[in-house]
Amino acid sequence: SQQGEEDPQALSIQEGENATMNCSYKTSINNLQWYRQNSGRGLVHLILIRSNEREKHSGRLRVTLDTSKKSSSLLITASRAADTASYFCATDAREETSGSRLTFGEGTQLTVNP
Amino acid sequence: DTGVSQDPRHKITKRGQNVTFRCDPISEHNRLYWYRQTLGQGPEFLTYFQNEAQLEKSRLLSDRFSAERPKGSFSTLEIQRTEQGDSAMYLCASSLVAGAKNIQYFGAGTRLSVL
Repeated sequence: SQQGEEDPQALSIQEGENATMNCSYKTSINNLQWYRQNSGRGLVHLILIRSNEREKHSGRLRVTLDTSKKSSSLLITASRAADTASYFCATDAREETSGSRLTFGEGTQLTVNP
Repeated sequence: DTGVSQDPRHKITKRGQNVTFRCDPISEHNRLYWYRQTLGQGPEFLTYFQNEAQLEKSRLLSDRFSAERPKGSFSTLEIQRTEQGDSAMYLCASSLVAGAKNIQYFGAGTRLSVL
């Protein structure tokens, strides 16, 4: 069963605005990752944040992690129409051997209108 | 293009038929994963290999499903006696285990439709 939950399920914004997506999870983790998926395609890794990190940046992406609340957020700044996609958080559970399964949330469908 | 290729991209079959999908991972990656994704949901883990050894199988992987990675390179996923509930996107991913990171590189998937 999915342990992650993304919020909101769908988000529609105008180009140039910022988009914030949230993710909650249930178990202790080694790290948390965000992936992007264009319609009908595979997933592309965006960013990884370790359990001992609180914030990480990569280009227009900013990820935060609050392990006490078991939650993470992904901020995309200055959004572009090309950012339109589904975004998933994925956790690598602490009790699993490193390098095994990822548990994905249900995703946020982001639409950026030109 | 992530470097992980899956074949075929689409498969339409009749209920009760057997189907086989192939995944070619990034060549230097030692781990290979299979996930299933239904519409509007995130991927769900099915199984993974380290080299040729199958190390974990999900409860989702019923006895009609079998996966192999015979030489530690490409992998196949076979579904026997397909059911309509098997209709989904089947995703393959590979990774190179390094420290605590587990960044997985996904193929474009095989979309299965069971009629």
